[in-house]
Amino acid sequence: DTEVTQTPKHLVMGMTNKKSLKCEQHMGHRAMYWYKQKAKKPPELMFVYSYEKLSINESVPSRFSPECPNSSLLNLHLHALQPEDSALYLCASSPGQGLNTEAFFGQGTRLTVV
Amino acid sequence: GQNIDQPTEMTATEGAIVQINCTYQTSGFNGLFWYQQHAGEAPTFLSYNVLDGLEEKGRFSSFLSRSKGYSYLLLKELQMKDSASYLCAVSYSGAGSYQLTFGKGTKLSVIP
Repeated sequence: DTEVTQTPKHLVMGMTNKKSLKCEQHMGHRAMYWYKQKAKKPPELMFVYSYEKLSINESVPSRFSPECPNSSLLNLHLHALQPEDSALYLCASSPGQGLNTEAFFGQGTRLTVV
Repeated sequence: GQNIDQPTEMTATEGAIVQINCTYQTSGFNGLFWYQQHAGEAPTFLSYNVLDGLEEKGRFSSFLSRSKGYSYLLLKELQMKDSASYLCAVSYSGAGSYQLTFGKGTKLSVIP
C-alpha cells in the first residue's frame, strides 16, 4: 500500500463553519505534512508532524489547527476561514528518517470558502 | 532559508527532448526531487538525486551537482501527456525532521 488517502475530495464551507480535513497512510511513515497550493503556484508547507509531534508550523494562522491522533492519521481542523483560504490542501507522508525522504502525496482536498 | 529557481514555462515538440533546469541554495541539503503535477491533481514522484550524477528511469533522467547547486530533469521522446508542471523540490534537515521545499514549477507544453 503506497497510498495517502485524503477525504473529502471537495469541500465548500462558509466563513462561520467548522470542518475537518482527513489524511491517512498505512506505509509506516513517521512524518506527515500539510501543504497548501493555490492555483498556478507550488505547494507551500503548512505543518510537519514527526513521530506524531508537531515539529514545524510555518506561521500558519490559528484558524488552521492540525492534529495527529496516531501515526497513520493526520487531521486539519478548519474554523472561521476566509475566502482567500480557498485552495488545494495536500497531505503527504515520508519515512521521516534516513536520506531517502520521498514524500508521497494524497490527491488533495479542494477547499472553497464562500 | 531555501531558494529554488526554475523556468516558469517551456514549450517542446512531441518526440523531442527537453531539459528543465533547477538551481537551489539551501542549508542542510539532503537531496533533490522532481515531481510532475497535472492541473488539478496532486504531485507525483518522478526522481530523486542525493549524490552527484545522472539517474535514469525510462524516458526520464535527472542530474545533480551538489557543488553547483544545480539539477536538471531530462525528458526524452516527449508525448502529449507529458504536458504538465514539473516541480523541483529540495529535501533538507530542519527542526528535527526532513522537509521538502518546492520551486515554483515549470509548466511544460508539448505541441504536435
